[in-house]
Parts: sequence; structure tokens; C-alpha cells
Amino acid sequence: SAVISQKPSRDICQRGTSLTIQCQVDSQVTMMFWYRQQPGQSLTLIATANQGSEATYESGFVIDKFPISRPNLTFSTLTVSNMSPEDSSIYLCSVDGTGDDTDTQYFGPGTRLTVL
Amino acid sequence: QQPVQSPQAVILREGEDAVINCSSSKALYSVHWYRQKHGEAPVFLMILLKGGEQKGHEKISASFNEKKQQSSLYLTASQLSYSGTYFCGTVEPYMNYGGSQGNLIFGKGTKLSVKP
Repeated sequence: SAVISQKPSRDICQRGTSLTIQCQVDSQVTMMFWYRQQPGQSLTLIATANQGSEATYESGFVIDKFPISRPNLTFSTLTVSNMSPEDSSIYLCSVDGTGDDTDTQYFGPGTRLTVL
Repeated sequence: QQPVQSPQAVILREGEDAVINCSSSKALYSVHWYRQKHGEAPVFLMILLKGGEQKGHEKISASFNEKKQQSSLYLTASQLSYSGTYFCGTVEPYMNYGGSQGNLIFGKGTKLSVKP
């Protein structure tokens, strides 16, 4: 399994500002994933972050709006830029398990973002 | 292509059984099942891999019909703790790159409520 922590756990932000969300894993992982879950909705993949390379974004998500860093094998950040109320969501990072558990994807506790 | 889950919601009495279905219009490499309680991160339950391998939970079982591109999650003798929203996540063969189960595409979820 993998133990994932995220900071902050929640935040309330003003329109037009940016927020950086941190994701820390207790073991080295190749790939980290960022998801968004809008209120009452399913999870949508934003991007995949490989250490040492540019993140790969899904359709509908762009780097200017959601820049991602992946400086090492245990850490990643997602920035939500120039926020609007439509960005109010839960943002989750996830990773593949390690060892015999690589088929499983584990989720962090999430960051609940409210944009006013 | 987002998988379709059914039913959207189900209410059970403690001890009753439930089946949640997940179907895709595309060929699948694997199907993942998660349970999410309100305000919490999704928790991994089960993964079903093409070829029949299954990994997961002791008290919850699932099936994967590759030809029909369908999976079903079986909850038997339900407990109060089973309440939550169940999501299936699918991985299409061409998306399974580098050994990762990334690019999970989640269904809209099935809300399960277990009453005493």
C-alpha cells in the first residue's frame, strides 16, 4: 500500500488568486496522478506526473491553469491558477501501489477548495 | 469513455445483498472498485484484471466479463459500514502504459445506504 498526505486539507480562496496543493507519499513511486472531484460528482483525471518529465494533461485541462511539479519520487504539487468559483472542488492525488501492489491505485485524503 | 454504473442509488437493510454493475462501450484491461464515504477519499476495494486475476476485499466479491465489457460488485450480508458511494474505474488496454494502472476513468457512482 501507500500512505499519502496532502496539504492543505481545505482552503477558502478569493477569485483570481492561486493555490498550490502538496502531495507527499511515504515511498518512491514512478507516477503520481491528480484528480478533481466536483461536488456530488465522480473523479476526473487532471494530469499524470512522472518524475523528471513534463506532466501529461487530460483533455480539458491545460498547464497554464494547472501547473504541476514533480521534483522527486515522493512529492508533487498541483497549482490551481487564477481561480474562479467553478474551480471549487476536491483535488486528490493518487499513486500506484509498490511491490506486489502495483496494480492498485491509492488516493490521498484530498484538498477541499472553495473559491469565493 | 466513461463507464456506466447501475443502479444510481440503492437502499438496503442490514444483512441484505446488493449488486452494483459497471459497463463500458470499450474493451477493458482492468476494472477497479472504490468506496467513498462522505468527506473522505476513495478507498480501494477490488481490482479485476483481464485474464481473470482478481485482487481485493475479503467480504466483497466481483466479476469481470471481458467479452461484455462489464463488471459487477457483489456485497453480501451488508453491514452499516458498507454505506457510501461506490465507483468503478476502468482502464482501457492502450492506456495501460509502463505497467501503471493510470488513466482510470471513473463512473458516476452508486450511492449505497444501509439501514439498521
